[in-house]
Amino acid sequence: AQSVAQPEDQVNVAEGNPLTVKCTYSVSGNPYLFWYVQYPNRGLQFLLKYITGDNLVKGSYGFEAEFNKSQTSFHLKKPSALVSDSALYFCAVKDTGRRALTFGSGTRLQVQP
Amino acid sequence: DAGVTQSPTHLIKTRGQQVTLRCSPKSGHDTVSWYQQALGQGPQFIFQYYEEEERQRGNFPDRFSGHQFPNYSSELNVNALLLGDSALYLCASSPPGSGRANEQFFGPGTRLTVL
Repeated sequence: AQSVAQPEDQVNVAEGNPLTVKCTYSVSGNPYLFWYVQYPNRGLQFLLKYITGDNLVKGSYGFEAEFNKSQTSFHLKKPSALVSDSALYFCAVKDTGRRALTFGSGTRLQVQP
Repeated sequence: DAGVTQSPTHLIKTRGQQVTLRCSPKSGHDTVSWYQQALGQGPQFIFQYYEEEERQRGNFPDRFSGHQFPNYSSELNVNALLLGDSALYLCASSPPGSGRANEQFFGPGTRLTVL
């Protein structure tokens, strides 16, 4: 079975500071990993994905994520946070042979001006 | 280019009733997945449709059923509604030949409230 853990319900960061949103996963095969962002009363917007290759993946809006196989982690990062980055962030995984995304419980990011 | 659209936006039903939610995939996409997102939780996979067939199903009871039409649009039906069915229902589409590598594109969701 595949699963995702987002250990922090909320992350607070000051505008201009770097941010990290943590994600760990569990799969039986090779993982395909995704990050999505959700704004209030909106659907999920795709940010980035890891399929294979470089462990550092760059995505939309200046976000990037680092895949670490030994630690089974896929943390989302951004060098300089914006107030407009405040939203709910979801990590998701697909395991070998699976077509469905399994999501974490989400992390609320609050960026203070 | 329109993205994934869903209707209605909001819906209020009472226990025991039946509901139908609708989804039109992003142009050029042929696969539709449905997710349930309860308040404060991540989305949970209900099922996926491809070529008008249910291809994979999550851990949801038979009260949840679906359909995909030849134009790739899809419906989610829920019978005998329970209070616990109150949630945001998300539809996601993905393009042909994508396998599991491609991201899914999500619609804005339908907020279902069961009283």
